[in-house]
Amino acid sequence: AQTVTQSQPEMSVQEAETVTLSCTYDTSESDYYLFWYKQPPSRQMILVIRQEAYKQQNATENRFSVNFQKAAKSFSLKISDSQLGDAAMYFCACYDYKLSFGAGTTVTVRA
Amino acid sequence: GAVVSQHPSWVICKSGTSVKIECRSLDFQATTMFWYRQFPKQSLMLMATSNEGSKATYEQGVEKDKFLINHASLTLSTLTVTSAHPEDSSFYICSARDRAGLPPGNTIYFGEGSWLTVV
Repeated sequence: AQTVTQSQPEMSVQEAETVTLSCTYDTSESDYYLFWYKQPPSRQMILVIRQEAYKQQNATENRFSVNFQKAAKSFSLKISDSQLGDAAMYFCACYDYKLSFGAGTTVTVRA
Repeated sequence: GAVVSQHPSWVICKSGTSVKIECRSLDFQATTMFWYRQFPKQSLMLMATSNEGSKATYEQGVEKDKFLINHASLTLSTLTVTSAHPEDSSFYICSARDRAGLPPGNTIYFGEGSWLTVV
């Protein structure tokens, strides 16, 4: 069975500071992909970053980077230089033969 | 980037009637589509995985006869909520996987979602 766990319901960060969102997953498949999605109040799902499990190098996208620890099945997201527009719900997701989501973390950015 | 269109965005229906939600991939062929339900401030709950030309695979606890999913073509999947009741009111969202799979550069794309209100 595939599970994705996000243990932080809410996180708050000062503008321009850094925040890290945690995620652990479990899958029996050897080939899988990991994602972080952002969901603003509009409910549109926005891809933040993706990681192929076969790649050891951590993915980065501008201010967003991940710490992928395959043995520990951990996939955390770091948001650097936080901006007001980063405020949203963030979901960690794992795709093997289906795409499953964690419970989500609400990020608020303080001006 | 690739676009997935979901229609309607909002729908209100009477209790006991059926309502259909469409999910279309506009510029790619989607062999697999996923349907989710999301309650306020909660996660996306996977309802079923829809593969083109075959029966959908439903998650445990999801009623197959109530939530009919059809994936008749490589660009269209539909979710029909049959005999809708107020407790079916929710936000439904689809996603589609490019036929090419998930090599680098491809990903899974989401529709805009559909709000269903059953009165």
